[in-house]
Amino acid sequence: EIVMTQSPATLSVSPGERATLSCRASQSVSNNLAWYQQKPGQAPRLLIYGASTRATGIPARFSGSGSGTEFTLTISGLQSEDFAIYYCQQYNNWPLAWTFGQGTKVEIK
Amino acid sequence: EVQLVESGGALVKPGGSLRLSCAASGFTFNIYTISWVRQAPGKGLEWVSSISSKSTSINYADSVKGRFTISRDNAKNSLYLQMNSLRAEDTAVYYCARVGSDGWNDYWGQGTLVTVSS
Repeated sequence: EIVMTQSPATLSVSPGERATLSCRASQSVSNNLAWYQQKPGQAPRLLIYGASTRATGIPARFSGSGSGTEFTLTISGLQSEDFAIYYCQQYNNWPLAWTFGQGTKVEIK
Repeated sequence: EVQLVESGGALVKPGGSLRLSCAASGFTFNIYTISWVRQAPGKGLEWVSSISSKSTSINYADSVKGRFTISRDNAKNSLYLQMNSLRAEDTAVYYCARVGSDGWNDYWGQGTLVTVSS
C-alpha cells in the first residue's frame, strides 16, 4: 500500500500570506496526485489533479508541483475562504486503490 | 450541473446491515467509474470501494473487503453500497464521488452519516 504523508499537520498563516503544504508518497506515484480542500461540514472539493493542473473554476492562487514522491500545494495570497483542511491523494494504481494523506489544516494566524 | 446525492445513512447496531444509495444527475452516469469514500468523525478521508462504468472492475479497501458490496444500476443512474457485519469503526460520513478520466475524484456528494453503536 502506498502511504501518503502530509506536513505540517497544522499551518498558521495570516491573510494575504503564502501557504506551502507538503505531501510525500512512500513510493513513486509519478504525477498521479490530486489535492482537495475541505471546509467544516462540507464535502471535499477537487483543487488540483495531475500534480499541477487546476480543476475547473479553481483560482490561480492555488498551484501544485512535484512528481515521484514529493509534492507541494502552494496558496498565494491567502483569502478568508481558503482556511480549511487540505488533503493529497494518490491515484497511481487506480482502480485497485486510492490513498489519501492525513490532511493539513490551514488556520488563521 | 453534476449532482451526487447520497442517502440511507442511519444508526445501526454492531453486526447489523445497511444499504446506502447515491443518485447521480447532470452527467452521463454510465461512462464513469464511481467511488465510495468515508470520513470518520474528526478524521481524514478513506477510500472504501469503486466500481467501473459497466461493473466489470470492482475493488475494495482491505478494511471492508468481504463485508461491503458495491453495485450500480445505470438505468437508474444510481450507485449502492451494501454494508454487512457493521463495526463501530465503520462509523463515518460516506461520500460517493465521480472518478475523472485518469483517477482523481472530480465531483462529490454531500455525504450520508452512518453510526454503528449499541
